[in-house]
Amino acid sequence: GDSVTQMEGPVTLSEEACLTINCTYTATGYPSLFWYVQYPGEGLQLLLKATKADDKGSNKGFEATYRKETTSFHLEKGSVQVSDSAVYFCALNNAGNMLTFGGGTRLMVKP
Amino acid sequence: DAGVIQSPRHEVTEMGQEVTLRCKPISGHNSLFWYRQTMMRGLELLIYFNNNVPIDDSGMPEDRFSAKMPNASFSTLKIQPSEPRDSAVYFCASSPSGTSYNEQFFGPGTRLTVL
Repeated sequence: GDSVTQMEGPVTLSEEACLTINCTYTATGYPSLFWYVQYPGEGLQLLLKATKADDKGSNKGFEATYRKETTSFHLEKGSVQVSDSAVYFCALNNAGNMLTFGGGTRLMVKP
Repeated sequence: DAGVIQSPRHEVTEMGQEVTLRCKPISGHNSLFWYRQTMMRGLELLIYFNNNVPIDDSGMPEDRFSAKMPNASFSTLKIQPSEPRDSAVYFCASSPSGTSYNEQFFGPGTRLTVL
């Protein structure tokens, strides 16, 4: 079946540091890929998505590129802020309505 | 749009009591999902409805859990009887159905504590 693997956290960074959260997937066909973010005490919200190979999703300074050859969708940001502290989930949707989520990565940004 | 609405936001109950969680999806969305989130098990899909019909309930833990969607604008998740291990945050999400690139929109969650 489909699966998503993302790096375990927590990831602790200083403000303005570069961020990379790794995400790899296993799926048949051509899934769509997503990054969701969960701020403390809230539900998940979509951060960005990519629907086909080589697409780049971007939002709020975050970006991720759909790499079919490496089955990856790593999340990157050049300069993190304290307000980026949250849990980040990588997910895929493979020809249906159901999302397959990774385990989540907690990011903590210190001033 | 108000987004996905869940109630109550917090529920504290005693073991053995019945608990009902409620969800109003975004108008026009055909798919509705119930998730449970705990520190130990992370985010788990419990059940998925499409056009008010349960499509996949393989994630429902056991017979104590039941979910209904009597119409397109309302769903319930019921636990009877509740147990301390049911303590978690329960999320409802909705999505327009039909394609794999549609995102799911999550509600704020219901934090359930069973004493």
